[in-house]
Amino acid sequence: GAVVSQHPSWVICKSGTSVKIECRSLDFQATTMFWYRQFPKQSLMLMATSNEGSKATYEQGVEKDKFLINHASLTLSTLTVTSAHPEDSSFYICSARDYRDYQETQYFGPGTRLLVL
Amino acid sequence: AQTVTQSQPEMSVQEAETVTLSCTYDTSESDYYLFWYKQPPSRQMILVIRQEAYKQQNATENRFSVNFQKAAKSFSLKISDSQLGDAAMYFCAYGGGNTPLVFGKGTRLSVIA
Repeated sequence: GAVVSQHPSWVICKSGTSVKIECRSLDFQATTMFWYRQFPKQSLMLMATSNEGSKATYEQGVEKDKFLINHASLTLSTLTVTSAHPEDSSFYICSARDYRDYQETQYFGPGTRLLVL
Repeated sequence: AQTVTQSQPEMSVQEAETVTLSCTYDTSESDYYLFWYKQPPSRQMILVIRQEAYKQQNATENRFSVNFQKAAKSFSLKISDSQLGDAAMYFCAYGGGNTPLVFGKGTRLSVIA
């Protein structure tokens, strides 16, 4: 299967600082990437859809000024948590849409654990 | 809107035995994809198997197979010869076009040695 990387895997930051998380598709081009948040023992909660070269589409209830998404190339999307607070502590996962041979699959990065102190 | 339901929050299976995880979904579309993802303790989401709705043949991947019943909107996952490494959270997901996946709430599978 295709590979999606995510960096960093772990980040601890102070309240009020900003944190950037990178999501890369390593062996395929992804015009569309997705960002999720996952709370312990729960399913994935979609935060936003990231399209290369255009503005991200945010899900209802997700603050777009808080969670800045940039998809500047076909292999890279970034999520920046601005002015992070303890309630932003969570597990963030990205996925990239792979569409080849008329087949569609989404592959996931390994996730980023964010702890805001 | 599409929905995915996994009615079994937890399941357990003896090592080397077979277990079936249930998933039902609701959609008005005729062309779509269905997936099973595995999330082990590392929390990396791993694709287990995929099924295109237009294919009548059930997908198989080694010890993993699905029972896809399009009319009933059912998509169950069968794991044969269960191994300790199969212990994980399993998510059923619906997808179609350039849209985000819709996930079920997951089934936690325990494998008993």
